[in-house]
Amino acid sequence: GAGVSQSPRYKVAKRGQDVALRCDPISGHVSLFWYQQALGQGPEFLTYFQNEAQLDKSGLPSDRFFAERPEGSVSTLKIQRTQQEDSAVYLCASSLGLHFSPNTGELFFGEGSRLTVL
Amino acid sequence: ELKVEQNPLFLSMQEGKNYTIYCNYSTTSDRLYWYRQDPGKSLESLFVLLSNGAVKQEGRLMASLDTKARLSTLHITAAVHDLSATYFCAVEQGGSEKLVFGKGTKLTVNP
Repeated sequence: GAGVSQSPRYKVAKRGQDVALRCDPISGHVSLFWYQQALGQGPEFLTYFQNEAQLDKSGLPSDRFFAERPEGSVSTLKIQRTQQEDSAVYLCASSLGLHFSPNTGELFFGEGSRLTVL
Repeated sequence: ELKVEQNPLFLSMQEGKNYTIYCNYSTTSDRLYWYRQDPGKSLESLFVLLSNGAVKQEGRLMASLDTKARLSTLHITAAVHDLSATYFCAVEQGGSEKLVFGKGTKLTVNP
């Protein structure tokens, strides 16, 4: 597709369940980002990939959060033993990458996956 | 650590009026972005500002960047109801591609 695609769009999990959120970036985009957006707040950075390499995971809130992008395209964000405070919209974004010229650095966002933990 | 502050956080205005949203940031950066978000939707890119003094306009919205003052403004001219949304500024951190977002300005334009 032409844009960033995320699935599922909505996920309800019981506390303690594991969840996996998928992101299909724009074809050819080197960089991929995950952001967490709590209700009424701005997006908060979680982690960043350049191709298959995870270059920055400083925003992951705990070791229950894990992200991967094994072939440098599709990415999965996994949350283990979900807690109520994990309830948020998880946004994926992609960009052409730093080394593409001319690169404006503009991120293109998906529709997000809304996670509700009961 | 880069911090991004927007104000106001909430803005209610009448159609036809003008107003400005401000975005301040704490450390040097040459790249700033404005996004729009409608309720339940993702972020739509509005403007990309890449250098000091950059000014961009699209319809009733105009954005500018002053990197020396670490300030960007989003000016709304003759507001219409369709502009009602939340507007975010985001600043690139240290050439890393990582964006730090402000808390957003929720704009409501009343008839």
